[in-house]
Amino acid sequence: AQTVTQSQPEMSVQEAETVTLSCTYDTSESDYYLFWYKQPPSRQMILVIRQEAYKQQNATENRFSVNFQKAAKSFSLKISDSQLGDAAMYFCAYRLPSTGANNLFFGTGTRLTVIP
Amino acid sequence: NAGVTQTPKFRVLKTGQSMTLLCAQDMNHEYMYWYRQDPGMGLRLIHYSVGEGTTAKGEVPDGYNVSRLKKQNFLLGLESAAPSQTSVYFCASSETGNYGYTFGSGTRLTVV
Repeated sequence: AQTVTQSQPEMSVQEAETVTLSCTYDTSESDYYLFWYKQPPSRQMILVIRQEAYKQQNATENRFSVNFQKAAKSFSLKISDSQLGDAAMYFCAYRLPSTGANNLFFGTGTRLTVIP
Repeated sequence: NAGVTQTPKFRVLKTGQSMTLLCAQDMNHEYMYWYRQDPGMGLRLIHYSVGEGTTAKGEVPDGYNVSRLKKQNFLLGLESAAPSQTSVYFCASSETGNYGYTFGSGTRLTVV
């Protein structure tokens, strides 16, 4: 079974500081994709960053970067220079590239608070 | 470019009533999905479709039905609403392969 675990229900960070959100997953597959989604109070699910498992290089998108450890099945999100607009729920997700479902498996989320 | 549009955004139902949630996407995506989001449980897949005229069950399909008569639309129906179906419902669409999903803005449904 595919599972995604986010062990930090809540995190807080001072504005302009750096925070890391943790995510681990369980799979027997070697080819898959990992994502971080942001859900602000507006409820909209916004794709923040994605990582292909076959790529060793960690993905980056401006202030957002990941630390992908394939052997450890770990996929953490680092937010640098945190801004008030980063306050949201963050969901880690995992997707197999070619199954009948083409499903995205989500973790339970981490609520990030940014302190001014 | 509207992306994925869900209607309605809010709804209150009485137990036993029926309703249909509409999802429309304008990106010509093949795949569409319905999720429900409950506190502390992330998003769980209800039903999905891999193309016009096709549907399949997800993780939590009981109490729901779906239809995909047109490629751009994916309807989620509740035939007899129950309080356990109080949730936020998200529709999403995607291309095949390794892309992320595009989500709608959600429907908050309360069943009393």
